[in-house]
Amino acid sequence: GNSVTQMEGPVTLSEEAFLTINCTYTATGYPSLFWYVQYPGEGLQLLLKATKADDKGSNKGFEATYRKETTSFHLEKGSVQVSDSAVYFCALSRTNTGNQFYFGTGTSLTVIP
Amino acid sequence: DAGVIQSPRHEVTEMGQEVTLRCKPISGHNSLFWYRQTMMRGLELLIYFNNNVPIDDSGMPEDRFSAKMPNASFSTLKIQPSEPRDSAVYFCASSFPRTSGRPGELFFGEGSRLTVL
Repeated sequence: GNSVTQMEGPVTLSEEAFLTINCTYTATGYPSLFWYVQYPGEGLQLLLKATKADDKGSNKGFEATYRKETTSFHLEKGSVQVSDSAVYFCALSRTNTGNQFYFGTGTSLTVIP
Repeated sequence: DAGVIQSPRHEVTEMGQEVTLRCKPISGHNSLFWYRQTMMRGLELLIYFNNNVPIDDSGMPEDRFSAKMPNASFSTLKIQPSEPRDSAVYFCASSFPRTSGRPGELFFGEGSRLTVL
């Protein structure tokens, strides 16, 4: 089946610290992979994506690389800011069999000044 | 683009009442999804439509929940009768057609926060 597993939170970091949020997936075939971010009181927004193996998605200083050999898509940022405090969701989609999405449980990040 | 529009943003009702949540997807999107988010269970897919046709409703909790998509620009999620355990934030999301070159990107509305007393 298809599923996404991401690291448990909450994560608390000081401003300018390095961030890693782990995400691994199980899927048949070749899914597309995504990171979504949810700020307090808002809906989820697409942060970055990668559609094939070895692709690197990046946005707002965040990066994630599609690793087929380890079935992973870890989110990283070199220097977090207070404004990055949010919940981060890893997700995969299988568009060749409909339009199905599978989300991880979300990881809450709090960045303190 | 106006984005996915949901209404109401907040709803407080009493147990046993009917609740109707509404969603207008982004124009040109042909897939629409209803999700429920709670602290205990996280983000759960309730149902999704492709070209106005329900494709997978296995996430709908029980017969009290129903969803319709009468046309490409409107969908409703109805709970009748509502119960306190239905209290959650309900999100609607839409996505591009598979042939668009941008499949797999979900666009979420801001959610409808439901409280059932």
